[in-house]
Amino acid sequence: GAGVSQSPSNKVTEKGKDVELRCDPISGHTALYWYRQSLGQGLEFLIYFQGNSAPDKSGLPSDRFSAERTGGSVSTLTIQRTQQEDSAVYLCASSLGRGDSYEQYFGPGTRLTVT
Amino acid sequence: GNSVTQMEGPVTLSEEAFLTINCTYTATGYPSLFWYVQYPGEGLQLLLKATKADDKGSNKGFEATYRKETTSFHLEKGSVQVSDSAVYFCALSITGNQFYFGTGTSLTVIP
Repeated sequence: GAGVSQSPSNKVTEKGKDVELRCDPISGHTALYWYRQSLGQGLEFLIYFQGNSAPDKSGLPSDRFSAERTGGSVSTLTIQRTQQEDSAVYLCASSLGRGDSYEQYFGPGTRLTVT
Repeated sequence: GNSVTQMEGPVTLSEEAFLTINCTYTATGYPSLFWYVQYPGEGLQLLLKATKADDKGSNKGFEATYRKETTSFHLEKGSVQVSDSAVYFCALSITGNQFYFGTGTSLTVIP
């Protein structure tokens, strides 16, 4: 029914801790994207899931970042051993994944602050 | 490679002024082009799109025309309102796998 949801909305963590960010896409959307939006920067692509295909991980900035998508629906982005430069808003988007428009619907984001 | 370059902000306009936000792109294939808008305190939402050359996307009084010859997709509105104050992002996608976004242009419209 509703749009893309993300949790938590805000997360403050200490440097070196692991964090998990969750994304619930729109029901029926087969494509799911994660982006990072840093202060004063555009959206940085992180990872893309499409159905049961292997994810496109080409945007993950380091091996501390990983993501999974269970049952083709909910996705979790995990950042291990967080660093201060990981502080950003993490956005999730989903789309139908077909057709020539690939229109994405974005969630409200999770604001991550690493202290 | 693929990339989007858009006009740096911030942009401040008076109500009813004409708006242009420039966007140019580089693409290895034949992209679809998008403008997204992020209103204060809200998530990004699609404003308009165009999927082939010479297509014009339009919504809420905004327009952008896909110009292959100049690799551009400039956003225009004839008369802006205070409620148009937001950050605008130009984006492209070749296959739908990856989207390439510009850095965003902040627009403030003053009464």
